[in-house]
Amino acid sequence: DAGVIQSPRHEVTEMGQEVTLRCKPISGHDYLFWYRQTMMRGLELLIYFNNNVPIDDSGMPEDRFSAKMPNASFSTLKIQPSEPRDSAVYFCASSKGRTGSPLHFGNGTRLTVT
Amino acid sequence: GENVEQHPSTLSVQEGDSAVIKCTYSDSASNYFPWYKQELGKGPQLIIDIRSNVGEKKDQRIAVTLNKTAKHFSLHITETQPEDSAVYFCAAVGMAGNMLTFGGGTRLMVKP
Repeated sequence: DAGVIQSPRHEVTEMGQEVTLRCKPISGHDYLFWYRQTMMRGLELLIYFNNNVPIDDSGMPEDRFSAKMPNASFSTLKIQPSEPRDSAVYFCASSKGRTGSPLHFGNGTRLTVT
Repeated sequence: GENVEQHPSTLSVQEGDSAVIKCTYSDSASNYFPWYKQELGKGPQLIIDIRSNVGEKKDQRIAVTLNKTAKHFSLHITETQPEDSAVYFCAAVGMAGNMLTFGGGTRLMVKP
C-alpha cells in the first residue's frame, strides 16, 4: 500500500497564477479530505468527499478555491487566482467508512505564493 | 460546531521522562478521539485512538485516557526517546460524524 500520494511536494508561484494540487487516495477508501495547515490556524478542514461526491465545503475560504474528485482514485484542489495568504501546507487524507475510521494523510504540498 | 483545545503548545522533557498532553472538547456527543504524530516534512500519522465507551487505552509506551464527564482526554508517553520528538495533535469527531476537529498541536522535544 503506497499510502496517500500528493503532488507536487513543493509549489512556488506568483500571485495571480492558478495552482492545482493533486491527490491519489488509498485504494478502497471512500472518504477524501483536503486540509490546510498554517502556523496561525493549525489544521483546517477545507472540504471532504464521500464516494466522489462533495459533502461539506464550508471550510473552503473563498470562491477562488475549488475541489473536484472525478473518480475514486484522484482529486484536485485548485486555487485561481492565488494570493500570498494562500501560502500553507495542503494535506489530502483518506479513510474507509464513517466515524472512528483512521484518517491517512499524505505528506502534503507546501505552497508558496510570492 | 466542535471546538478542541490542546495544552501545552510546547513541551520539553529529558529522555526517559514521561510526557503528558491534554485536550478538552466542547461537543458532548463526540465519541471518537484520535491522536496524531507529525514529523518534520510529513503528514500527521495516527498513533492511538479511543472511543467514548472506553476510559483508557494503552499501546506499549503510549496511553490515552478519556473523561467524558469533564470532556477532556490526555496522551501519556512514558520512557520518552529522542525519536518521540514531533508535533502531536489531538482530535475529536463532532455531531456530524465524519469530520475531525483538531487541537492546535503540541511540539514535544525530548532532550538526549
